[in-house]
Amino acid sequence: GEDVEQSLFLSVREGDSSVINCTYTDSSSTYLYWYKQEPGAGLQLLTYIFSNMDMKQDQRLTVLLNKKDKHLSLRIADTQTGDSAIYFCALGNQGGKLIFGQGTELSVKP
Amino acid sequence: DVKVTQSSRYLVKRTGEKVFLECVQDMDHENMFWYRQDPGLGLRLIYFSYDVKMKEKGDIPEGYSVSREKKERFSLILESASTNQTSMYLCASSLGQGQEAFFGQGTRLTVV
Repeated sequence: GEDVEQSLFLSVREGDSSVINCTYTDSSSTYLYWYKQEPGAGLQLLTYIFSNMDMKQDQRLTVLLNKKDKHLSLRIADTQTGDSAIYFCALGNQGGKLIFGQGTELSVKP
Repeated sequence: DVKVTQSSRYLVKRTGEKVFLECVQDMDHENMFWYRQDPGLGLRLIYFSYDVKMKEKGDIPEGYSVSREKKERFSLILESASTNQTSMYLCASSLGQGQEAFFGQGTRLTVV
């Protein structure tokens, strides 16, 4: 089945850029998502990209999709302490399911 | 705004008890999902439903069942709770295939 992989931890300094990476095996997904989970909360959609796009920018967020390498990334510019959270990539597959990665815990140090 | 509401934020149950986790969504979404979240494992799909009275097994259905009698409500049932079912349970709904999912706040279940 579909496999979605993320590294578990990332630590950056406030003001730096953060890049969270995700690799996947199934290339049939139409939508690829990034969700954010703050401590003690459910998941909230941060941004998404259609599979026919290479890049999407939304304020401080940039999503890059490399279909050839099956690689998705989320770049957060000027990272703030409020960005500390767990970030999940997710793929929407043909069967109607969302397949999630393990989540990357972003820690932002002042 | 879409709202997905889970009936409890925290639950403590005893081993062997039958446990019901309830989820209600208010946006007339077709699809509903139950995931469990464990550190280092991300979200794993337990069951999902794409219509009333329809259900499909996810990746880890063992020890669980579900019920969807009405479109807005999707219940997760632990037939006989065990300590390895201690976890965070997340309910979600979406409009259609592969589309954005909206999540509830989660239920942290502890089985003692």
